Amino acid sequence: AQTVTQSQPEMSVQEAETVTLSCTYDTSESDYYLFWYKQPPSRQMILVIRQEAYKQQNATENRFSVNFQKAAKSFSLKISDSQLGDAAMYFCAYRSGGGGADGLTFGKGTHLIIQP
Amino acid sequence: GAGVSQSPSNKVTEKGKDVELRCDPISGHTALYWYRQRLGQGLEFLIYFQGNSAPDKSGLPSDRFSAERTGESVSTLTIQRTQQEDSAVYLCASSIHMADPGGTQYFGPGTRLTVL
Repeated sequence: AQTVTQSQPEMSVQEAETVTLSCTYDTSESDYYLFWYKQPPSRQMILVIRQEAYKQQNATENRFSVNFQKAAKSFSLKISDSQLGDAAMYFCAYRSGGGGADGLTFGKGTHLIIQP
Repeated sequence: GAGVSQSPSNKVTEKGKDVELRCDPISGHTALYWYRQRLGQGLEFLIYFQGNSAPDKSGLPSDRFSAERTGESVSTLTIQRTQQEDSAVYLCASSIHMADPGGTQYFGPGTRLTVL
C-alpha cells in the first residue's frame, strides 16, 4: 500500500516571502500522480497543483511550483510571494496511475500560517 | 449546481442511531468518491462509484457503513448504529471519469458528524 508523509505539522511565513512544504511518499509503482490540495477553514478541498510521475518537468501554477524528485520519492510545494489568502491546511496526495479502485491517499497535512 | 454539494452541513446524533449523508456531484461527473477526515488527520478514502457501480467496498470502515448512488447523480452514505469513533467530517468528491486517475477531484464542503 502507498503511504504519504508530511513531516511538518505547521509552518509559518511572512507575507510576500517564500515557503516550502515537504512531502514524501512510498510506492512500488512507476505510474502515478501526485497532488497538493488546499483546505481553508470552509473545509472545501481545492486542487493547487498536480504532477504526473512520468513527466520530469516540475509542474508550476502561477505562484505555486513543485520540486518532484522521483528517485527520492519527494514532492515538495513551493509557494512564492505568500499572500494572506494562502493560509490553510495543505495536503499532499497520491493516486495510482493504473486506473484501479483506489481514491487519493493523503498525508496528514501541514497547517500554513501567513504572518502579515 | 456549479459545484459538489453535501447535506446536512452538520449532524449531531446519539450513539446507536442511524445517519444518512447526502452528496450531489457536479452534473456530468460519472465518478464519485467518499472520504472521511478525523480531527487533525488527512483524508481517508472510503469508497468510489463509477456510475452507480461501486466495485470495491473494502475501504468502508465496518459493515455498519454502506453507500448507494442513483445513476450518475446523488449518493448517500449511511452509517448504522453510530459509534463515537464515527465522529468526523465526511467529504464527497466527483470527477469526470474514474478512468482518468490524474483527473481533478472536486470536493464538497463536507458533513461534520458528531456522535454523542
